[in-house]
Amino acid sequence: DADVTQTPRNRITKTGKRIMLECSQTKGHDRMYWYRQDPGLGLQLIYYSFDVKDINKGEISDGYSVSRQAQAKFSLSLESAIPNQTALYFCATSESLRGNTQYFGPGTRLTVL
Amino acid sequence: KQEVTQIPAALSVPEGENLVLNCSFTDSAIYNLQWFRQDPGKGLTSLLLIQSSQREQTSGRLNASLDKSSGRSTLYIAASQPGDSATYLCAVWGSNYQLIWGAGTKLIIKP
Repeated sequence: DADVTQTPRNRITKTGKRIMLECSQTKGHDRMYWYRQDPGLGLQLIYYSFDVKDINKGEISDGYSVSRQAQAKFSLSLESAIPNQTALYFCATSESLRGNTQYFGPGTRLTVL
Repeated sequence: KQEVTQIPAALSVPEGENLVLNCSFTDSAIYNLQWFRQDPGKGLTSLLLIQSSQREQTSGRLNASLDKSSGRSTLYIAASQPGDSATYLCAVWGSNYQLIWGAGTKLIIKP
């Protein structure tokens, strides 16, 4: 079984809808991250969490919110989806030390019409 | 602000060739640099991690070098195989707790 899982894998929604992307991990890592990837661009950090009680904004947090329900679960919400949020979304985890490698889920392809 | 650039954006070579992928960054105050591989539908996989105090790291047919003073890293792939076809991304850890990513090089190895 995969160490980092994301659901759903694909989602098509309409402008204005609220949607949630979910991430679960079995690696036992404290740190979790949400990224988005647009064609031709590098990954951009949306939010990151050092533990259940510590959540931080990344470089592009506007229009997104997150919830860390447990060490193993980190959810990303789009409160009112808009077309420019169409992208590939990745969840990742890492061990506590800064600079450790990150382990990625398979991604969620989101399309907002 | 740290910026990471990867050139070329795409590369197609015949099987068996040795090749080099390039990554450059604007701020040399990095904690480490990492190379990842991205396969469609499978997320990203870490290939090599080079600490700022290191010059290179090797794993099998892969060798990554780091020249912090010039803001450059290269990923060398020896004896390329069709299974090496993927997008390769580099990313740097800076003084904050965030990875800054390049846009990637899409590599196609022709049989």
